[in-house]
Amino acid sequence: SAVISQKPSRDICQRGTSLTIQCQVDSQVTMMFWYRQQPGQSLTLIATANQGSEATYESGFVIDKFPISRPNLTFSTLTVSNMSPEDSSIYLCSVDGGETQYFGPGTRLLVL
Amino acid sequence: LAKTTQPISMDSYEGQEVNITCSHNNIATNDYITWYQQFPSQGPRFIIQGYKTKVTNEVASLFIPADRKSSTLSLPRVSLSDTAVYYCLVASAGYSSASKIIFGSGTRLSIRP
Repeated sequence: SAVISQKPSRDICQRGTSLTIQCQVDSQVTMMFWYRQQPGQSLTLIATANQGSEATYESGFVIDKFPISRPNLTFSTLTVSNMSPEDSSIYLCSVDGGETQYFGPGTRLLVL
Repeated sequence: LAKTTQPISMDSYEGQEVNITCSHNNIATNDYITWYQQFPSQGPRFIIQGYKTKVTNEVASLFIPADRKSSTLSLPRVSLSDTAVYYCLVASAGYSSASKIIFGSGTRLSIRP
């Protein structure tokens, strides 16, 4: 199994600002994923991030709004840019563990 | 894309067996069925995965009929700590970038004393 940590665990931000969320894994992994989970809702995949290549975004998500970095096999960042209250959600990273995914604890974001 | 459908909520009592069914009519040949458990303020946690027939591990069983258009997660003798949201996920093994990973709406399971 993989142990995943995220920073920050939660934040309150003003609209129009940006927040960068960090995801650290305790082992080298090829594929990392970023999800959004709005209050009381299921998880929605934002993008898939492979080391050494551009992230692949799902429909409804664009790089300008959610730029992703993947500098090495144990780390990734997701930036939520030019935030609005609609971006208030939990953001989770996960990694491909072969037969399953392992999830981080999530970053709870509130935009005022 | 294999969309999943689950009951929104279920209630049960401690010591009972709970069965949660997920429908996935458009499941593809190379798709696996995975169930996750999520507690408040935590990320989802893997419970069990299967392709067909029956799979059992130390926490649950997964029943998949021959047509694979549905699956049933069975939790034996639930306790209060099993109160959580359970998600059914259908995706290709290995989660290649070409596959779409779609979580269902989840089933909110409440266990009462």
